[in-house]
Amino acid sequence: EVQLVESGGGLVQTGGSLRLSCAASGFTFSSYEMNWVRQAPGKGLEWISHISTSGGTGSYADSVKGRFSISRDNAKNSLYLQMDSLRAEDTGVYYCARPGYSSGGGLDSWGQGTLVTVSS
Amino acid sequence: DIQMTQSPSTLSASVGDRVTITCRASQSVSSWLAWYQQKPGKAPKLLIYKASSLESGVPSRFSGSGSGTDFTLTISSLQPDDFATYYCQQYNTFYTFGQGTKLEIK
Repeated sequence: EVQLVESGGGLVQTGGSLRLSCAASGFTFSSYEMNWVRQAPGKGLEWISHISTSGGTGSYADSVKGRFSISRDNAKNSLYLQMDSLRAEDTGVYYCARPGYSSGGGLDSWGQGTLVTVSS
Repeated sequence: DIQMTQSPSTLSASVGDRVTITCRASQSVSSWLAWYQQKPGKAPKLLIYKASSLESGVPSRFSGSGSGTDFTLTISSLQPDDFATYYCQQYNTFYTFGQGTKLEIK
């Protein structure tokens, strides 16, 4: 069974940093690209970052570019999101999500999410 | 950047109704369009991929259509479990979600 489990969320002050982790199991992690998607309280879904299978290429939404950094450790079956210079508008639930080959690239597996709260 | 616009934002319907949600892309995304269902406090669930392909395990009352810039999600006969928020998403160029459609009980 595919499992994605996020951790690392919490309360952080404006301007602070946080590192999220996503532990993957039940599939060959190194064969899949991965993404982070977030959801502000009461709002819609926002894609924020993507990483290639090797970890050599990361892409970001404009809203987080230059502040967030995505990485992965295929030996540890783990995905990370380093978040710096956090703002109030970064508050929300952060999900890691996997695009599936059998689902034509749709995000077929999601973690349960981890809540990040940025407050002054 | 590709923008995705869903309509309506809110939809009130009854069990047994046929409902349609539309999604329009600001430029062509070919058939790289997915639909998700999300319930409060839960992660999104993939329903439809490549515009019209039903994800494994999803009931056949869900269907998708369209290509290019205009897409629809149809639920043929609403069931109590279907009241949720639905999102479209393009994945032609990275990912962009629509703003969501909340399906409410009338």
